[in-house]
Amino acid sequence: SQQGEEDPQALSIQEGENATMNCSYKTSINNLQWYRQNSGRGLVHLILIRSNEREKHSGRLRVTLDTSKKSSSLLITASRAADTASYFCATVETGANNLFFGTGTRLTVIP
Amino acid sequence: GAVVSQHPSWVICKSGTSVKIECRSLDFQATTMFWYRQFPKQSLMLMATSNEGSKATYEQGVEKDKFLINHASLTLSTLTVTSAHPEDSSFYICSAPGLAGGWSYNEQFFGPGTRLTVL
Repeated sequence: SQQGEEDPQALSIQEGENATMNCSYKTSINNLQWYRQNSGRGLVHLILIRSNEREKHSGRLRVTLDTSKKSSSLLITASRAADTASYFCATVETGANNLFFGTGTRLTVIP
Repeated sequence: GAVVSQHPSWVICKSGTSVKIECRSLDFQATTMFWYRQFPKQSLMLMATSNEGSKATYEQGVEKDKFLINHASLTLSTLTVTSAHPEDSSFYICSAPGLAGGWSYNEQFFGPGTRLTVL
């Protein structure tokens, strides 16, 4: 299967704490993307990191990519209750143009 | 910015009937669109790649005769679930890569999804 794996499957934290989610994948990639999905809704693109990048920031989000370990992490700092959602990593393989999604992490931020 | 819509947002049908789901790119053209299926509390699984003017490419294990895809224009792809059964109940999501307005091909925009329930 080309599907990546995310860890942890579920994460529950207090508001204000940081949340870290990890993603591992199996193939050579062009880029890796992180998406957010509220329950029963569509996906929202959060951030894209290319294979030649190691770290990227966007607001309270920080993404790292280690292509040697085929892994990525998403850090959400100073979490808010509104951050409660499922977070998915997705990879675009080298030479392809479709996305393969990880298993997802369900984040719950307790007010 | 790039917007993708889906219609309907939800549908309930009887077993054995066919259901058509539309995916539209509203402010950009998409020669390629992707269809995903998501079961409750699970990840998105790519079903097929829809290509404007040509046949769709299906992922392994996806029945092309059951999930008919038509991409007749640069802004519309349709997925028809034929002879639907309860096990086809799922959340179907489409996406399109942005090719204009500064978006690179790797920026994908997702529709809001269609929840199908087959009784």
